[in-house]
Amino acid sequence: AQSVTQLDSQVPVFEEAPVELRCNYSSSVSVYLFWYVQYPNQGLQLLLKYLSGSTLVKGINGFEAEFNKSQTSFHLRKPSVHISDTAEYFCAVSDMSGSEKLVFGKGTKLTVNP
Amino acid sequence: GAVVSQHPSWVICKSGTSVKIECRSLDFQATTMFWYRQFPKQSLMLMATSNEGSKATYEQGVEKDKFLINHASLTLSTLTVTSAHPEDSSFYICSARGRTTKNADTQYFGPGTRLTVL
Repeated sequence: AQSVTQLDSQVPVFEEAPVELRCNYSSSVSVYLFWYVQYPNQGLQLLLKYLSGSTLVKGINGFEAEFNKSQTSFHLRKPSVHISDTAEYFCAVSDMSGSEKLVFGKGTKLTVNP
Repeated sequence: GAVVSQHPSWVICKSGTSVKIECRSLDFQATTMFWYRQFPKQSLMLMATSNEGSKATYEQGVEKDKFLINHASLTLSTLTVTSAHPEDSSFYICSARGRTTKNADTQYFGPGTRLTVL
């Protein structure tokens, strides 16, 4: 079974500042990793995913994440945030065995202030 | 590409009535669809997994007779909340997983349905 820990439930930052949202996972098997963003009263939008290959993954809206197998982490970063980035961010994993299920972290609320 | 829609986006119903929520993959065929429930300020909880043409697999603790799932085609799955009660009020989100190598590894989410039971 997999589990996902998002250490920060809330992250407030100022506009144009860099941000890192942390995600650690636990799994006995190899996994796929995902970051999703949820704007208020909306569904989830895929930001980026790691399936294999390069450990640095670039996604939409200027976000990127780095897979670190030794630290079992998949932290999300953006060098300069905008007010429009204010949203809930979810890290998720699924195993490669074909179970298809996504296990989500509890989410991190990113608030970008002017 | 990989767009998933849900209908309705919000619904208010009286206690004891049944509500049907539709989930459609608009531009791809979905071999598997998932139904999630999200409580305010919380993460998503997987309710069930449905494969086209077969019975849904429910997660532990989810009442299959209360939450009826039908996956009649490769582009449509429905969730029916039967005899709804106020405690069923929640945000229901579906996702779909494709059948091609391009989209088979990723779940694409619908915009969600807000259910309020009075």
